[in-house]
Amino acid sequence: DGGITQSPKYLFRKEGQNVTLSCEQNLNHDAMYWYRQDPGQGLRLIYYSQIVNDFQKGDIAEGYSVSREKKESFPLTVTSAQKNPTAFYLCASSIEAGATLNEQFFGPGTRLTVL
Amino acid sequence: AQKITQTQPGMFVQEKEAVTLDCTYDTSDQSYGLFWYKQPSSGEMIFLIYQGSYDEQNATEGRYSLNFQKARKSANLVISASQLGDSAMYFCAFHTGGFKTIFGAGTRLFVKA
Repeated sequence: DGGITQSPKYLFRKEGQNVTLSCEQNLNHDAMYWYRQDPGQGLRLIYYSQIVNDFQKGDIAEGYSVSREKKESFPLTVTSAQKNPTAFYLCASSIEAGATLNEQFFGPGTRLTVL
Repeated sequence: AQKITQTQPGMFVQEKEAVTLDCTYDTSDQSYGLFWYKQPSSGEMIFLIYQGSYDEQNATEGRYSLNFQKARKSANLVISASQLGDSAMYFCAFHTGGFKTIFGAGTRLFVKA
């Protein structure tokens, strides 16, 4: 079955540690996205990638980094520079980023907690 | 600036009744797309329905329909015959063909038995 997988589902981090969240898709989509969701709130864009080896900052990129070495993979690293990283992280993909019909397919999410 | 607003933080509906979730947007673009997503307690976002700005008919998908009023810049979601499994967060989203989709703050729907 085609879809998006994220791992791990739950992640605990000590202050000062970097952690990497995995996102893989087998939908052959060009565009991929990372969002952050805080309790009771909507989604905020962290980074997006239109194509392999290219990515752009979203609204809240500070303290995060990404890579896009393969079309199907878009890992997100939460660095120690991110002061309040406890949140729910959602990865998404779409066929292409620039189309008006830009239905995004989402992964199941990773819940990150800083201890 | 582009903006999307969901004014109802929470809504209650009786099982088997219809409910309307409000969404308004603000843009000067002529070409755009409007989306609704459902987020159950598990956290995954589920795409429900899409309306293009040039579509003359309101979009429908099963029990979901989108009441699109372009002049008012509103794109309300109507769920008919509510079911207990409809209890979830619902997000309205907006895309203009750039590289960013803007999400509203969401409405939490509670379906009562």
